[in-house]
Amino acid sequence: DVKVTQSSRYLVKRTGEKVFLECVQDMDHENMFWYRQDPGLGLRLIYFSYDVKMKEKGDIPEGYSVSREKKERFSLILESASTNQTSMYLCASSYRDPEAFFGQGTRLTVV
Amino acid sequence: DQQVKQNSPSLSVQEGRISILNCDYTNSMFDYFLWYKKYPAEGPTFLISISSIKDKNEDGRFTVFLNKSAKHLSLHIVPSQPGDSAVYFCAATSGTYKYIFGTGTRLKVLA
Repeated sequence: DVKVTQSSRYLVKRTGEKVFLECVQDMDHENMFWYRQDPGLGLRLIYFSYDVKMKEKGDIPEGYSVSREKKERFSLILESASTNQTSMYLCASSYRDPEAFFGQGTRLTVV
Repeated sequence: DQQVKQNSPSLSVQEGRISILNCDYTNSMFDYFLWYKKYPAEGPTFLISISSIKDKNEDGRFTVFLNKSAKHLSLHIVPSQPGDSAVYFCAATSGTYKYIFGTGTRLKVLA
């Protein structure tokens, strides 16, 4: 079974803090993704990575950066957290098949 | 611009009846479509997919239909069960493994 693990289920951070969301997959997948899910907006792609150290912006990259130093790990960084970044964050990975496997999600609240 | 649209935010169906969830897309370059199911506080799980070279794909109680000329796909669940109650997302990709998701339809199956 493919396993995509996000480091935290729930996080509460203060405005202006630097926040790290970690994601690890155990299936040697080349592609990894970060999405955020908001009511009425569905899942929106923040960044994706198709190889180590390679990344591409998704639809809403502003205020975020990513890091992929190892194939199995993809980190999402909120440089200076703001209240409008309160959301459910979902990490996913995929190989050659279009099917992506998702982690359980991290609900981030910025106060 | 919403490239993948799910115009029904919610749907209620009686147990044992058919559930039909709809999805429209605007980008004719999309060549692969997927449906995901999401329970509260969990990540989405892959349900079924269809390539643009097909017009139907079946997996047990789940069937996905694709109408390329209308840029429309639908997910049929027969018979519907209470455990099917979840939010369903359709997603599309054009071979880059960059997935575009719809906003989701909340299905409630009434016992």
